[in-house]
Amino acid sequence: AQKVTQAQTEISVVEKEDVTLDCVYETRDTTYYLFWYKQPPSGELVFLIRRNSFDEQNEISGRYSWNFQKSTSSFNFTITASQVVDSAVYFCALSEFGGGNKLTFGTGTQLKVEL
Amino acid sequence: EAGVAQSPRYKIIEKRQSVAFWCNPISGHATLYWYQQILGQGPKLLIQFQNNGVVDDSQLPKDRFSAERLKGVDSTLKIQPAKLEDSAVYLCASSATYTSGNTIYFGEGSWLTVV
Repeated sequence: AQKVTQAQTEISVVEKEDVTLDCVYETRDTTYYLFWYKQPPSGELVFLIRRNSFDEQNEISGRYSWNFQKSTSSFNFTITASQVVDSAVYFCALSEFGGGNKLTFGTGTQLKVEL
Repeated sequence: EAGVAQSPRYKIIEKRQSVAFWCNPISGHATLYWYQQILGQGPKLLIQFQNNGVVDDSQLPKDRFSAERLKGVDSTLKIQPAKLEDSAVYLCASSATYTSGNTIYFGEGSWLTVV
């Protein structure tokens, strides 16, 4: 069965610091998809990124970057020069091919960015 | 483009009472999901619809929870009778299809407190 582990429960940083959120996953499938979502206090889960298991290229989008390493089953998320607006709970999720597009979520990492 | 709409946003009920949540997915999305998110945990899938048919309801506590999507658009999730442990955020989500890897978009959630 698939599993997603986010070992960091809560991280606190000062604005402008870089921060990395860890995500480790388990799956028996060779084809799968990984996602990151942001959940601000309002409650909505905001989609950030999707990667498939055949694409190990790192991706950068503004201050956000993602490092996907199949060898260690990790899909880590880095925020560069953090801002107060980045404060939220961040979830990593996994969807297995043939699994009917169902997401298995980690327990989330609460990020607090302070002035 | 309008996102996933949910109502009500907040609901407080006494145990053994009933409650219903409504969801309107993104226009044109064939697949609709209901997730339950208990405080401090990641969302967990309750039920998945493809058009007006159920794809997966294996995690739905059918003795008290029911859901329908009669015309393949809007959906209603009902809990009757509610228990204290049903206190959670109920997130509705949608995707274009249920093919694995399709991005799933979430609403803001309906926050339920059972007292």
